[in-house]
Amino acid sequence: ETGVTQTPRHLVMGMTNKKSLKCEQHLGHNAMYWYKQSAKKPLELMFVYSLEERVENNSVPSRFSPECPNSSHLFLHLHTLQPEDSALYLCASSLGIQETQYFGPGTRLLVL
Amino acid sequence: GIQVEQSPPDLILQEGANSTLRCNFSDSVNNLQWFHQNPWGQLINLFYIPSGTKQNGRLSATTVATERYSLLYISSSQTTDSGVYFCARNAGGTSYGKLTFGQGTILTVHP
Repeated sequence: ETGVTQTPRHLVMGMTNKKSLKCEQHLGHNAMYWYKQSAKKPLELMFVYSLEERVENNSVPSRFSPECPNSSHLFLHLHTLQPEDSALYLCASSLGIQETQYFGPGTRLLVL
Repeated sequence: GIQVEQSPPDLILQEGANSTLRCNFSDSVNNLQWFHQNPWGQLINLFYIPSGTKQNGRLSATTVATERYSLLYISSSQTTDSGVYFCARNAGGTSYGKLTFGQGTILTVHP
């Protein structure tokens, strides 16, 4: 248990569906992150939020839309995804941008 | 761009053996972390080690920032050590917390 939770843990969706991934951290951290881990690839940073402000968008397609309503919660809204978007989506948080990042258990997403 | 290379890509050990995993990076480092990813995908922090040596039980890590590498030592390995080990670095400055991960070392420990 790292203090970072993610729901759902598994998700299967069609290409026309809209779904959201949720991340919550109970560590009092100020920065939150979304990463994507595809098979045979290193983890890729998608988005960084610091004090609820997006400070990094790592060239992510617009079909992924992040939302950070407060410093404890981070969402990733998904719409019209492609099969190649199937991956493990990991959320992380840190006290500050340069501090140690702690990861949630991830959401395994399958797009059919 | 920033490069993080890990070796070996795969490692198979008998329980009780020792091992050394290596992480080379192409640029100066502000933050170097080692993680263990278990078979269920959970990433567990092992070390935050931009320089120097740290030890935690059977694990220890050394980063030589001037020579741009870090080593993770696993002693008396156990089957529960199996999984993927990642190193990741953050150059700081305008990188805004962007951790760049290596490809990982897949460790399998047999009983």
